[in-house]
Amino acid sequence: AQKITQTQPGMFVQEKEAVTLDCTYDTSDPSYGLFWYKQPSSGEMIFLIYQGSYDQQNATEGRYSLNFQKARKSANLVISASQLGDSAMYFCAMREGWNGGSQGNLIFGKGTKLSVKP
Amino acid sequence: GAVVSQHPSRVICKSGTSVKIECRSLDFQATTMFWYRQFPKQSLMLMATSNEGSKATYEQGVEKDKFLINHASLTLSTLTVTSAHPEDSSFYICSASFPAGKVYEQYFGPGTRLTVT
Repeated sequence: AQKITQTQPGMFVQEKEAVTLDCTYDTSDPSYGLFWYKQPSSGEMIFLIYQGSYDQQNATEGRYSLNFQKARKSANLVISASQLGDSAMYFCAMREGWNGGSQGNLIFGKGTKLSVKP
Repeated sequence: GAVVSQHPSRVICKSGTSVKIECRSLDFQATTMFWYRQFPKQSLMLMATSNEGSKATYEQGVEKDKFLINHASLTLSTLTVTSAHPEDSSFYICSASFPAGKVYEQYFGPGTRLTVT
């Protein structure tokens, strides 16, 4: 079974508007971490935001926020005030154990291609 | 922030030859590095976990003899694709874990695009 599911292969958003990218996960480990990465066409993976399973508050980093709903096992990324430079692939990932803070590997979803329209 | 480099960024080789890809952590020591493979428009798939001074741990379905990994120092891991074939053409990305506050962040290299003709 897939551990990370991103159901939106592609999304469009108007510049300056907010957009939500969906991510659901599956794990039996009570301790895990959820990550979002951005991959522009150049191929580099850019870390955006992290949420530990034991963290009480939803993570925020600038224009990025993570809507963490533990009971639903979802960790949606919200990008506010979209910019043209936000156009890229976005990957949700999970690391099991240690609230996600270990050195273990990341398990990635299939990604969502976000296109920001001027 | 922590930086991970990869070399080369692009390589084209003939079928049957071997190709070595280097992954370096530039300003930190990485006891653990990861090698991922990404086909066009697909996700990153973990190939192996590279541990300094010991044998790499390969994921199921990844051929150890074909994808040789050497983590000889705390700042360098290499992936050698031996006897490459066109189906090995892919985007290979390495990453290294670095403690940043309460969590080990995983920093990714810029990737190496391998084309086997």
